[in-house]
Amino acid sequence: QVTLKESGPALVKPTQTLTLTCTFSGLSITTSGVRVNWIRQPPGKALEWLARIDWDDDKFYSTSLKTRLTISKDTSKNQVVLTMTNMDPVDTATYYCAHISTSKSFDYWGQGTLVTVSS
Amino acid sequence: DIVMTQSPDSLAVSLGERATINCKSSQSVLSSSNNENYLAWYQQKPRQPPKLLIYWASTRESGVPDRFSGSGSGTDFTLTISSLQAEDVAVYYCQHYYATPYSFGQGTKVEIK
Repeated sequence: QVTLKESGPALVKPTQTLTLTCTFSGLSITTSGVRVNWIRQPPGKALEWLARIDWDDDKFYSTSLKTRLTISKDTSKNQVVLTMTNMDPVDTATYYCAHISTSKSFDYWGQGTLVTVSS
Repeated sequence: DIVMTQSPDSLAVSLGERATINCKSSQSVLSSSNNENYLAWYQQKPRQPPKLLIYWASTRESGVPDRFSGSGSGTDFTLTISSLQAEDVAVYYCQHYYATPYSFGQGTKVEIK
């Protein structure tokens, strides 16, 4: 059974850097074909894809946010980490990690973690 | 970047009636290498993550009731709920996975009339 779980601060101040961790079980980030993503959703709004990291360490980013995002993996802990710099109140959202399959798209999701940006 | 546009933004349907949601991509998501459309549909209920319903534009995910169906190709796609049930009240999103950056439609809220 594949499970993913996001963790990180619930509150960050404007201009701070956000660090989120996705811990997963039932799949290994070192297995060929495993690709883990971050997606966010502001309250009451649509989903927005942020970044992806693959088993072979390929990385992909949102065009509009790529200057602020860094995705990385810790293979020993089976974790994927997302950092987002210069946080702003408009970045307030639920942040999800999700696995993507080349055939099915986002087939496994975490429950999400709400991050509020406020002074 | 590919832009996904859904219509309508919301719809109210009577129980047992048909619900139809449209999705248009700003460029084709049909792959010439395998003739598959890289288009998925998700259902999201309040305080839950999205749930995959349909992939390859028309393939139902395991466990998804057969009242949900997807159709379309290229740039125009449709999600149909053939007989709306109370538990289908949710927001539905289309999403392309043709290539990064991936993108979602703005969502369609389905309610009971």
